Amino acid sequence: GIQVEQSPPDLILQEGANSTLRCNFSDSVNNLQWFHQNPWGQLINLFYIPSGTKQNGRLSATTVATERYSLLYISSSQTTDSGVYFCAVGTSGSRLTFGEGTQLTVNP
Amino acid sequence: DGGITQSPKYLFRKEGQNVTLSCEQNLNHDAMYWYRQDPGQGLRLIYYSQIVNDFQKGDIAEGYSVSREKKESFPLTVTSAQKNPTAFYLCASSTDMEETQYFGPGTRLLVL
Repeated sequence: GIQVEQSPPDLILQEGANSTLRCNFSDSVNNLQWFHQNPWGQLINLFYIPSGTKQNGRLSATTVATERYSLLYISSSQTTDSGVYFCAVGTSGSRLTFGEGTQLTVNP
Repeated sequence: DGGITQSPKYLFRKEGQNVTLSCEQNLNHDAMYWYRQDPGQGLRLIYYSQIVNDFQKGDIAEGYSVSREKKESFPLTVTSAQKNPTAFYLCASSTDMEETQYFGPGTRLLVL
């Protein structure tokens, strides 16, 4: 099956800093989603982005499908950005495969 | 409000007991999913359903069972055959397999 690798596994920032999270995948995909899991376990979908670039406030994402990677950018980080960020990918008509996540801690 | 609800929030299982986790959605989504999350790890797919009265095994279906008798409901039963059931269980739904998935708040299952 498809392999998903996220980096870095852990990231600690001071409030106000910027960060880039990476997701590499082993096969062509037509479904790629980024999620944020808050400290209480709730997963929120951030982006549906199988290709191209999207922005939502301080967050943006870019997927380069031909090179099999996606990047999630967080600017001017806030303590509420803390949690685990997951990348999940899928091929045509198939289920999502999740990476192991990046644990982000933003300190005040 | 549209969304996905899971109950209970916490569930305790005794040895040899079957327990059922509830998942309900009012988003009119065709596809529903059950995932298991162990501490510090990603999500692993247990079962999924693309349409009413149909479901498929995911990567770790052994010891679990599901049903999909109604579009809005996808209950998961953790059977006594699942020897290590302690985990966080998440239910999700989407319009179809290739669209955005929306998650419920999860159920934490603990073994007594």
